[in-house]
Amino acid sequence: DQQVKQNSPSLSVQEGRISILNCDYTNSMFDYFLWYKKYPAEGPTFLISISSIKDKNEDGRFTVFLNKSAKHLSLHIVPSQPGDSAVYFCAARISGSARQLTFGSGTQLTVLP
Amino acid sequence: EAGVAQSPRYKIIEKRQSVAFWCNPISGHATLYWYQQILGQGPKLLIQFQNNGVVDDSQLPKDRFSAERLKGVDSTLKIQPAKLEDSAVYLCASSHGRGQNTEAFFGQGTRLTVV
Repeated sequence: DQQVKQNSPSLSVQEGRISILNCDYTNSMFDYFLWYKKYPAEGPTFLISISSIKDKNEDGRFTVFLNKSAKHLSLHIVPSQPGDSAVYFCAARISGSARQLTFGSGTQLTVLP
Repeated sequence: EAGVAQSPRYKIIEKRQSVAFWCNPISGHATLYWYQQILGQGPKLLIQFQNNGVVDDSQLPKDRFSAERLKGVDSTLKIQPAKLEDSAVYLCASSHGRGQNTEAFFGQGTRLTVV
C-alpha cells in the first residue's frame, strides 16, 4: 500500500519557466512533509518542508503548497534552471517518537536550456 | 560539518554470498536510518535506531538482514545470504532527533548488485 504517491515519473520544463511537481498521500495521520532532491550517484538532499498547520512555505525559488483536504502537496520551482534537473522525492512523516519518513517513488525533472 | 559517510560505494556479489555495509552518521546525531532504494522506487525504511536501540525494524527481512549500532555511533547492515532482489542502493541517514520536525541527512549510498 503506497501511502505517498508521485504519479508523474518524469517532467520536462523549459529553462526560466515554472516546474510543478505533485504528490498525493493517503494517510491522514501524516502531519509533516518534505521534499528531497537527488542527483545521480548521490544521496537525497533536503530541499524544503511544510508542517500541516501551514498551507504554504517558501524558500527562494522553491515553494511548497499543502492542501490537507485533498491530501495533496506540490512543489513549485520558479524560475527553473538546468541545475534543477534531478529526481525529486516527496516524503511524509507522522510526528512523534518514531519520526520515520515515508517516500514517494520520485519524479525526474529535466530542465531544458 | 562532515556529512554521513558510507562505504563501500559499490559492491557486486553473487547470490547466496554475504555482504556488509558501514555507516558513520553526522556527529551528535542520535537517530540513524537504513533505507533500501530499488531502481525506480523511493527509499524504503529498513531499520531505525535511536542511539543504540532499535525504534523500528518492521520492514527489515530478518531472515537475511541484520543491523547493529554499537555504542550509538557507527552502524553496519549485513545481508546473508543475498538474493537477486536485494540489488538496490542502500542509504544511511541520520538526524539529531531533537524537536518535533527535523530533516534526515543522507549519505551517498552503497550500490549493491547481486548476480
